[in-house]
Amino acid sequence: GENVEQHPSTLSVQEGDSAVIKCTYSDSASNYFPWYKQELGKGPQLIIDIRSNVGEKKDQRIAVTLNKTAKHFSLHITETQPEDSAVYFCAASPSNAGKSTFGDGTTLTVKP
Amino acid sequence: ETGVTQTPRHLVMGMTNKKSLKCEQHLGHNAMYWYKQSAKKPLELMFVYSLEERVENNSVPSRFSPECPNSSHLFLHLHTLQPEDSALYLCASSQGTGGDLISEAFFGQGTRLTVV
Repeated sequence: GENVEQHPSTLSVQEGDSAVIKCTYSDSASNYFPWYKQELGKGPQLIIDIRSNVGEKKDQRIAVTLNKTAKHFSLHITETQPEDSAVYFCAASPSNAGKSTFGDGTTLTVKP
Repeated sequence: ETGVTQTPRHLVMGMTNKKSLKCEQHLGHNAMYWYKQSAKKPLELMFVYSLEERVENNSVPSRFSPECPNSSHLFLHLHTLQPEDSALYLCASSQGTGGDLISEAFFGQGTRLTVV
């Protein structure tokens, strides 16, 4: 089955700096890669996703890159703000978004 | 509010109790899922229902019994649980089950379960 590894497990940055979270996956059949943000007391919420036919996608301060050959994808958050502090999960799915295999999460802390 | 509602938000139960978790989605999705979230394994898929049929059971012990009476509702029936089953149980829904029909999964806020 799919195996997703996520690094780092914790990340602390100063407000305004950039944050990068990296994931690798094992199943070459995976073609959908969502990123979720989970705030305390809430369920994960999708912040951006990318499909295998695209190498990069951007949405305001958030961008995701995908390298299918190397089987890795990354989340980039620029101009971080304290409200970006949360746990971020990457995931990989061969077909069904709900059947995604998740990474172990990265706890991001943005210091004001 | 994501359109996926879980009740109760918190549940404390003894090992001999029987209880049920409820999930309701108002998004018109055709697939629903149960995930377990614990310190040991952050997000672990338990069950998948597609068009009200269980299509996946990820080696979950029989003390967890899912039920999907229709495409909008999903239950997780619990009986004779162990303390190690204490976790956050998350329900999710999505539209489409393959190919280019993938849509994002929407998660509920979860039920925090404590087994004593």
